[in-house]
Amino acid sequence: NAGVTQTPKFRVLKTGQSMTLLCAQDMNHEYMYWYRQDPGMGLRLIHYSVGEGTTAKGEVPDGYNVSRLKKQNFLLGLESAAPSQTSVYFCASSYPRASGSYEQYFGPGTRLTVT
Amino acid sequence: QKEVEQDPGPLSVPEGAIVSLNCTYSNSAFQYFMWYRQYSRKGPELLMYTYSSGNKEDGRFTAQVDKSSKYISLFIRDSQPSDSATYLCAMLNYGGSQGNLIFGKGTKLSVKP
Repeated sequence: NAGVTQTPKFRVLKTGQSMTLLCAQDMNHEYMYWYRQDPGMGLRLIHYSVGEGTTAKGEVPDGYNVSRLKKQNFLLGLESAAPSQTSVYFCASSYPRASGSYEQYFGPGTRLTVT
Repeated sequence: QKEVEQDPGPLSVPEGAIVSLNCTYSNSAFQYFMWYRQYSRKGPELLMYTYSSGNKEDGRFTAQVDKSSKYISLFIRDSQPSDSATYLCAMLNYGGSQGNLIFGKGTKLSVKP
């Protein structure tokens, strides 16, 4: 049981290049999330998905697109990378518990530098 | 006013000390309160989860929620160097808001041997 995995772990891009970050979970969770984490800013939600084929915008969606074609995978795309997108990106997954709570499980992160 | 406020620290304590980490919040609809621990260059991991008010204990860790004051705390007894990490509080409405947790910015803790 690998939990939440992210690919790649590190990446350096030049301004204007594109890339896709892959998140995979093997816990059969319905909900998946993409965050970015920057010093002094905490975790900020980029996009999330409440099920296969559905996505929604979070707090900071501009410059990113996502897709959830399979329940276990959530992809984050940068179409034209900018230096402001230099960050650590975390994927998380969760499911609704009977208590009404959701507990998110995080991946190890992807460190992206845009030069 | 941010929904969740957390002192970023850094907080440095000697080994064996009792550590108190705190968050305040403004949304009285929050019912679920969590603490995540994040080691350097790792993803956050769930440490403690509490529903509504009260205390919850797990080994050296105690989570406390005071809904009347909109204040939550995490206490670490007999702190160890291995407790050195950033601690993030997180909160959620009942019914989930689609599972979107509201996170504090994290407090960086260093426990010195």
